[in-house]
Amino acid sequence: GAVVSQHPSWVICKSGTSVKIECRSLDFQATTMFWYRQFPKQSLMLMATSNEGSKATYEQGVEKDKFLINHASLTLSTLTVTSAHPEDSSFYICSASYGLAGGWSTDTQYFGPGTRLTVL
Amino acid sequence: EDQVTQSPEALRLQEGESSSLNCSYTVSGLRGLFWYRQDPGKGPEFLFTLYSAGEEKEKERLKATLTKKESFLHITAPKPEDSATYLCAVANQAGTALIFGKGTTLSVSS
Repeated sequence: GAVVSQHPSWVICKSGTSVKIECRSLDFQATTMFWYRQFPKQSLMLMATSNEGSKATYEQGVEKDKFLINHASLTLSTLTVTSAHPEDSSFYICSASYGLAGGWSTDTQYFGPGTRLTVL
Repeated sequence: EDQVTQSPEALRLQEGESSSLNCSYTVSGLRGLFWYRQDPGKGPEFLFTLYSAGEEKEKERLKATLTKKESFLHITAPKPEDSATYLCAVANQAGTALIFGKGTTLSVSS
């Protein structure tokens, strides 16, 4: 149980284009989903937290107009990198936590396999 | 400021050579401490959640323990397939975000 998928697993795009990454919880309903990015040999950096049906909460220093997050359902969140540039090249990972009664979530996060974005 | 420090940064073991990884933390109200395993180019794989000092959890060759200041991930008789980066994270009372350490990269040779 607690499987999270991401699509695509890797993407190469030209500078200035937009890229959408999907994150799905396959066997549970995810009240809360998270988006991270990870640079080589670095730990995970939280970009934003999203709850189903509401606006995402972005971490300090993350441009919300550049990284658009939509959490349209309890099993799907998308991250769109708009007008991507080479410095946006990174490993993007999503995670999800179980929804509990009353709108709360468990603390344990289950991660997707990640998406490698390369912007030329 | 909440902080997680993992040591050592890298650890090389021979197959069968048991050892421990350390995760020291300072957090304003611990809601949970988490261990993950991450293989190169993949997302973290959940291992354990610990909630209170004195708690222990085991899974195959791994055992996680928790005190009020740190957690240990004990690896008993490791095998080459245990080679990975092990990440420690904490959740505080303020919200749902996890605070990650930088990880310990474990290499087990046969």
